[in-house]
Amino acid sequence: DAGVTQSPTHLIKTRGQQVTLRCSPKSGHDTVSWYQQALGQGPQFIFQYYEEEERQRGNFPDRFSGHQFPNYSSELNVNALLLGDSALYLCASSLDRGAHSPLHFGNGTRLTVT
Amino acid sequence: AQSVSQHNHHVILSEAASLELGCNYSYGGTVNLFWYVQYPGQHLQLLLKYFSGDPLVKGIKGFEAEFIKSKFSFNLRKPSVQWSDTAEYFCAVNSLSWGSQGNLIFGKGTKLSVKP
Repeated sequence: DAGVTQSPTHLIKTRGQQVTLRCSPKSGHDTVSWYQQALGQGPQFIFQYYEEEERQRGNFPDRFSGHQFPNYSSELNVNALLLGDSALYLCASSLDRGAHSPLHFGNGTRLTVT
Repeated sequence: AQSVSQHNHHVILSEAASLELGCNYSYGGTVNLFWYVQYPGQHLQLLLKYFSGDPLVKGIKGFEAEFIKSKFSFNLRKPSVQWSDTAEYFCAVNSLSWGSQGNLIFGKGTKLSVKP
């Protein structure tokens, strides 16, 4: 029973570049949420995808966009990278967007912007 | 804006000591409450959750938490910690008025170090 997998594990980019992070949800899950965790902070909600559409969005600029594919996997794209985008990006999957469906997290992608 | 406060940044205990980690949230409506744990090198895992009913909830590995609505609190407790409890603990909240569980608001976390 595969858990949530994220790739790559680490990434170094230069300011102004674009980055794509990938996530495969836990088997049987259809909802993917993305979180940003800055150093010393708790995870902060970016957005959620369900049925290939963005369903909810946190307080993040349009530079942050995403996609969900028919197999429920998801991508997070960040354009025009800023130094402040350096963080651990977490993907979490759940079933059916239900408020009572537990979130299962991946190990994250560590993004460093120089 | 809704927020979650965790009072302690770093807690250091000896094995067999009792643990209580504080968590307060700011939203006045109906909430769902969670504690997540992140062991060194591992992903965030759900420790326990409260949706409704008995305000004292039990989770995995002997952890429990008590929801006190009047205090907007959801403190995590364990009577006797073990070295293997060394981890970072995050309190989180959501509300049906915000939509799905995907929109969780997390506290900044409390790092627990247990000395053998």
